[in-house]
Amino acid sequence: EDQVTQSPEALRLQEGESSSLNCSYTVSGLRGLFWYRQDPGKGPEFLFTLYSAGEEKEKERLKATLTKKESFLHITAPKPEDSATYLCAVHLQGAQKLVFGQGTRLTINP
Amino acid sequence: GAGVSQSPRYKVAKRGQDVALRCDPISGHVSLFWYQQALGQGPEFLTYFQNEAQLDKSGLPSDRFFAERPEGSVSTLKIQRTQQEDSAVYLCASRGSSYNEQFFGPGTRLTVL
Repeated sequence: EDQVTQSPEALRLQEGESSSLNCSYTVSGLRGLFWYRQDPGKGPEFLFTLYSAGEEKEKERLKATLTKKESFLHITAPKPEDSATYLCAVHLQGAQKLVFGQGTRLTINP
Repeated sequence: GAGVSQSPRYKVAKRGQDVALRCDPISGHVSLFWYQQALGQGPEFLTYFQNEAQLDKSGLPSDRFFAERPEGSVSTLKIQRTQQEDSAVYLCASRGSSYNEQFFGPGTRLTVL
């Protein structure tokens, strides 16, 4: 069964304290892995797509990486406005839907 | 440009009532998806349209759930005889033909009393 697991479920950091969020997946065939940010009361906002192991993408304080079994979202020197739930999702071979993990709720304290 | 819009943003229904949720995708996007998101969980796939054709409805939880996209643009998700377990946020997403990213609307929060 295709499965996506994110860890930790919740993470509290001080402003400026760098860390990483993990997304591990067990799927029959991967077309792509997506990272989204979701603020309370809003829909997911697209951040990155990764397609192959070794690929990296960066945007401001965020960097996403991909291996054959997992993806990391690295957050460097975060600010309070980075507080949100971060979702990863996989796009499977032979399907159109995304399969999401349960999300990591990130809180950055000033 | 305009993103995906959904209406209503909030819906309260009494158990047993029928509800209809609307999605306006990004103009020109051929693919449209519906997801259900329970509190504290990631979105779960319900159904997928390519233009007006419903190509995957494997995620619809019961025959009380019905979706349509008759002209290949606006879509409606209908839930008949709502139950308390239907309470969730219903998200719509659209995708263009030349890329893989799905762009989400703000969602409709459905509460069934």
